[in-house]
Amino acid sequence: QVQLVQSGAEVKKPGASVKVSCRASGYTFTSYSMHWVRQAPGQGLEWMGIINPSGGTTSYAQKFQGRLTMTRDTPTSTVYMELSSLRSEDTAVYYCAGGRDFWSGPDSWGQGTLVTVSS
Amino acid sequence: QAVVTQEPSLTVSPGGTVTLTCGSSTGAVTSGHYPYWFQQKPGQAPRTLIYDTSNKHSWTPARFSGSLLGDKAALTLSGAQPEDEAEYYCLVSYRGARVFGGGTKLTVL
Repeated sequence: QVQLVQSGAEVKKPGASVKVSCRASGYTFTSYSMHWVRQAPGQGLEWMGIINPSGGTTSYAQKFQGRLTMTRDTPTSTVYMELSSLRSEDTAVYYCAGGRDFWSGPDSWGQGTLVTVSS
Repeated sequence: QAVVTQEPSLTVSPGGTVTLTCGSSTGAVTSGHYPYWFQQKPGQAPRTLIYDTSNKHSWTPARFSGSLLGDKAALTLSGAQPEDEAEYYCLVSYRGARVFGGGTKLTVL
């Protein structure tokens, strides 16, 4: 079955960047697109963007344009989400979630990675 | 960006039926928006219940169903169980961009 394992918690200073990884197993890596979704403390879910591991195509929510980069490493079945110019409002749990194609929504979720931005 | 709206909170009695809805600021939610529904319990990652309006995953309890109701997407829970108490989110697709609703806190009481 699909398993998505994310990297551990991070603490960053304002203005820094963070890179979160999501290692996939249990399926053919290039057959599932990967969403990134975040959730600030006590708040709802926020869709950030999606990457197609097959060709590397990405689509980002307008809010994150210019600050967000999604990449993949096919040999290790890992996708990455990098967010730059961090501010306190970026403190959140970040989830990767696989979808069956680039136009579908998330079906299987990672466990989440807490990113704390604090001076 | 479009705004997706959900009831902030709902209460259902054990064994009862409740319908959660998901609306869009751009107009009617249709099958072309491929609405999804997710369940999230405190301290846990979300779990996908419904995809593409009404399709269930293998892990989705049979008591949950998805549909279109008027100009909204809907999630109906028939025969509520105490373990169904959770936050429920919908997701709507707008030509590639996805937007989550604000969530509905469902209490089983």
